[in-house]
Amino acid sequence: QVQLQESGPGLVRPSQTLSLTCTVSGGSISTGSFYWNWIRQHPGKGPEWIGYISYRGSTFYNPSLKSRVAISADTSKNQFSLKLNSVAAADTAVYYCARGTDSSGTSDSWGQGTLVIVS
Amino acid sequence: DTQITQSPSSLSASVGDRVTITCRTSQDIGTYLNWYQQRPGKAPKLLIYAASRLQGGVPSKFRGSASGTEFTLTISSLQPADFATYYCQQTFSAPYNFGQGTKLDLK
Repeated sequence: QVQLQESGPGLVRPSQTLSLTCTVSGGSISTGSFYWNWIRQHPGKGPEWIGYISYRGSTFYNPSLKSRVAISADTSKNQFSLKLNSVAAADTAVYYCARGTDSSGTSDSWGQGTLVIVS
Repeated sequence: DTQITQSPSSLSASVGDRVTITCRTSQDIGTYLNWYQQRPGKAPKLLIYAASRLQGGVPSKFRGSASGTEFTLTISSLQPADFATYYCQQTFSAPYNFGQGTKLDLK
């Protein structure tokens, strides 16, 4: 059974870069036909899909965040990462990594989430 | 972008009740819609994908259906564990957005 775990700083200064890593266990990120998503959720709101990196290494981002986002993978560590630059208070949210069953953003396994505060 | 209107935003019900939650989309998205359950402090859990297909391990008391641009999630025989927040997500086109959520609480 696949498990995902987010890690990274819980506090980021405005205008800096938010960096998070998701460590995957119980399955390889470079095999199968899975897509590895980042999703965030502002307090009291619905989730917001940020983007994904595919098992082949291709990426696709939410157009509203595309200019500030980069998702990459380190297959040797079975991890994938999120970088969001030029953050502001509006980027304060719980950030989740999740396994996507296809390229549609459908996510069947999620990490527990990590709260990132921009202040 | 495909807009989603989820209703109601909150719903009170009793154990044993059956409830229905609705998502309406701004355009025809076929059956490209998922439903998730989120308990407080936890990650969302996929319940239904492709409008009506039950995710593995999810009990059949959860049923999804679609009619045009209206999608419904019906939960039968409510149990304490079912009181949570439910979200729909359209997967027809990026940015694969979610509804605003329906908080189901105990009457």
